[in-house]
Amino acid sequence: KAGVTQTPRYLIKTRGQQVTLSCSPISGHRSVSWYQQTPGQGLQFLFEYFSETQRNKGNFPGRFSGRQFSNSRSEMNVSTLELGDSALYLCASSLPGTAYEQYFGPGTRLTVT
Amino acid sequence: QQPVQSPQAVILREGEDAVINCSSSKALYSVHWYRQKHGEAPVFLMILLKGGEQKGHDKISASFNEKKQQSSLYLTASQLSYSGTYFCGTEWADTGRRALTFGSGTRLQVQP
Repeated sequence: KAGVTQTPRYLIKTRGQQVTLSCSPISGHRSVSWYQQTPGQGLQFLFEYFSETQRNKGNFPGRFSGRQFSNSRSEMNVSTLELGDSALYLCASSLPGTAYEQYFGPGTRLTVT
Repeated sequence: QQPVQSPQAVILREGEDAVINCSSSKALYSVHWYRQKHGEAPVFLMILLKGGEQKGHDKISASFNEKKQQSSLYLTASQLSYSGTYFCGTEWADTGRRALTFGSGTRLQVQP
């Protein structure tokens, strides 16, 4: 079974630009969560989508948004990039249910200059 | 209200045991444990639900103390492959189901 895939793996952007990251979950997984990982703040929850609906959102500004498509693939968008947005962005997919195991993708390393 | 993990770092010799703690100031619904090796994605270890029993597989097990809102991860007879950073992720009992709040991590190094 193929794992979670994320594209692109590496990205360099300039302050003020916007960026879109893509995540393809494991086949059959309808829940996709996004996380930001930085050395200073650690792993922080961004949002979670299930069946094309955002069910949860973390404490991030409105510049961070996402969506999920009918095939469960998900994208996240960051507008008006700031230097502090430089991070590893991870997505994770899981099956529904209370005792769920999240499978993480390899991440997209975003560098904002 | 990020959960607090302790210790922040630990160095072991192969075969030694370790305990990693995760404490929350809020009532928990579940605690998830992940291990991340350098340059890799986090990998799921186990989940403990409120009211559930202690979990374990191989030489790694965990417990969830509801009275203390604390979970502990036990690594026994450590192997080199156990090296990495361990994170606990918590779900609050009142809100935010499926919105994990992670601790800052415990860096574990197992030496030969």
